[in-house]
Amino acid sequence: ELKVEQNPLFLSMQEGKNYTIYCNYSTTSDRLYWYRQDPGKSLESLFVLLSNGAVKQEGRLMASLDTKARLSTLHITAAVHDLSATYFCAVDVSGTYKYIFGTGTRLKVLA
Amino acid sequence: EADIYQTPRYLVIGTGKKITLECSQTMGHDKMYWYQQDPGMELHLIHYSYGVNSTEKGDLSSESTVSRIRTEHFPLTLESARPSHTSQYLCASSELGGTKTQYFGPGTRLLVL
Repeated sequence: ELKVEQNPLFLSMQEGKNYTIYCNYSTTSDRLYWYRQDPGKSLESLFVLLSNGAVKQEGRLMASLDTKARLSTLHITAAVHDLSATYFCAVDVSGTYKYIFGTGTRLKVLA
Repeated sequence: EADIYQTPRYLVIGTGKKITLECSQTMGHDKMYWYQQDPGMELHLIHYSYGVNSTEKGDLSSESTVSRIRTEHFPLTLESARPSHTSQYLCASSELGGTKTQYFGPGTRLLVL
């Protein structure tokens, strides 16, 4: 079965703290995506990781990809309230036009 | 910034009605997708298309249909709305090559009474 699993599902953290969200996938994939979704809104693209060892950073967020372990991480550095949202990872399933999304991680940053 | 549009943004409708959700993109993307998402939950693929006159079913396709007559337009039709269809519907598009990043529309919130 093609699956993308994220953990944790819920994360409540204090401002200024660091934390990592994990994304494991079971299928062969050429690409790994991270999206952000604010409550009641649509999905916004954050990062696309194209190869093993890829690392992308934007502000307090850094994403990495290990294709051998089929694992991606989204690291949050010195969290601020504005980062509160749901974060999804997704993979592009090789040989198809489909994408599979993870279950999402609901992040709440407390002031 | 991606240019993908959905109408209506909100819709309240009675059981048994036929409805069409519109999605248009101006980026010339070959691939387009429809997803159903309950608030904050995972996305479920309904239908997708990889070009004009191509449509494929996803996991939740049995109660809806799509068409792709023009590259920029990918409407979703529910033949007979039911309360279980109450959800948010997200349209997305992406290129065939390159990063293949999906760009999402603002969504349509549907309430079936």
